[in-house]
Amino acid sequence: AQSVTQLDSQVPVFEEAPVELRCNYSSSVSVYLFWYVQYPNQGLQLLLKYLSGSTLVKGINGFEAEFNKSQTSFHLRKPSVHISDTAEYFCAVIFGSSNTGKLIFGQGTTLQVKP
Amino acid sequence: NAGVTQTPKFQVLKTGQSMTLQCAQDMNHNSMYWYRQDPGMGLRLIYYSASEGTTDKGEVPNGYNVSRLNKREFSLRLESAAPSQTSVYFCASSESYRGGGADTQYFGPGTRLTVL
Repeated sequence: AQSVTQLDSQVPVFEEAPVELRCNYSSSVSVYLFWYVQYPNQGLQLLLKYLSGSTLVKGINGFEAEFNKSQTSFHLRKPSVHISDTAEYFCAVIFGSSNTGKLIFGQGTTLQVKP
Repeated sequence: NAGVTQTPKFQVLKTGQSMTLQCAQDMNHNSMYWYRQDPGMGLRLIYYSASEGTTDKGEVPNGYNVSRLNKREFSLRLESAAPSQTSVYFCASSESYRGGGADTQYFGPGTRLTVL
């Protein structure tokens, strides 16, 4: 079955430290990959997405992610986090080339940035 | 430009009651989606509508019905609410899905539903 796994449910980190949020997905011939952020009591916003081309994708708010096909991973990174980055982060995948638009979400990772 | 709007923001129901969650988008998008969000489970697709006049089941459709009223509006109905349907419900829209499955989905603010 197609699945997306976010390995950490919570990631505490101090302000200005680097952070990596991990995402792995079940193997597929082709995938589209997304990271969304959800601030408290709000809907989801797109951070970045990988469709094709360069495996390093840059998004909003200084985040970036790298697609690793051999490891079926799409980890999210930021070199220096701010208090305002405290939120829940979701990795999501569209599997296959059928262009169904069906997103499969991971369980979410709560990033807690401490002063 | 409000994006995706949802009503109501909060709702408490008793088991067996019915209700309709409303969703509207003003971005002229073709595709619309309903998700539910439960702790530790991420978001799961309930139903989606590729275009006006079409609807299809997602991952967890049981206990729900949908109506794509027009291009702007996509409603979700619970005919007989159960405690297992306590969740946060999100509506989303995207420009296209046939031939454009990788289009960004834009999400509403959510409806927090409690079924007692």
